[in-house]
Amino acid sequence: AQTVTQSQPEMSVQEAETVTLSCTYDTSENNYYLFWYKQPPSRQMILVIRQEAYKQQNATENRFSVNFQKAAKSFSLKISDSQLGDTAMYFCAFVSYDMRFGAGTRLTVKP
Amino acid sequence: DARVTQTPRHKVTEMGQEVTMRCQPILGHNTVFWYRQTMMQGLELLAYFRNRAPLDDSGMPKDRFSAEMPDATLATLKIQPSEPRDSAVYFCASGLVSGAEAFFGQGTRLTVV
Repeated sequence: AQTVTQSQPEMSVQEAETVTLSCTYDTSENNYYLFWYKQPPSRQMILVIRQEAYKQQNATENRFSVNFQKAAKSFSLKISDSQLGDTAMYFCAFVSYDMRFGAGTRLTVKP
Repeated sequence: DARVTQTPRHKVTEMGQEVTMRCQPILGHNTVFWYRQTMMQGLELLAYFRNRAPLDDSGMPKDRFSAEMPDATLATLKIQPSEPRDSAVYFCASGLVSGAEAFFGQGTRLTVV
């Protein structure tokens, strides 16, 4: 089974600064998707950004962008101009025939 | 606004009682996942369905948990009998077989006392 590793249990960043969350995965498949989800205190899981493995171009959604390194099996999330509302748990997910999650990174944005 | 709907949002029950959680996936989505979230174990995949057929339920304790999808608009997760260690938030998510998107419901917070 595919495994997803998020090695940073907790991170903090000052408001307006940039932060990068790390994610690595292990798979033998060639076609898959990678997602980042945000879970604020409301517990709702919100899809932040997704990346198709067959695309070399890194996905971008407003202040959120990814650095997808397929050979290294790495999928990091960069949040630019951090806002207080970005405070949440962030989960990396690997999607092929099922969807597996990392353990999450708790991000705190400080004023 | 398409969304995944889970009921109930909260459930408190006594040990030994049966618990049923329901999920209405987004119309047109053909894949449904059930997850359990705890502080210790994170998001565990319990089971998932594709085109209403169960594909994998290896993450579920077989003796007490069961998952079904009686029609395309309803997925259920049942625990019988419930135990205090089942206390967690249970999420349902629906998506497309291509993997292009997957959206979560708001979860059911289960407390077994």
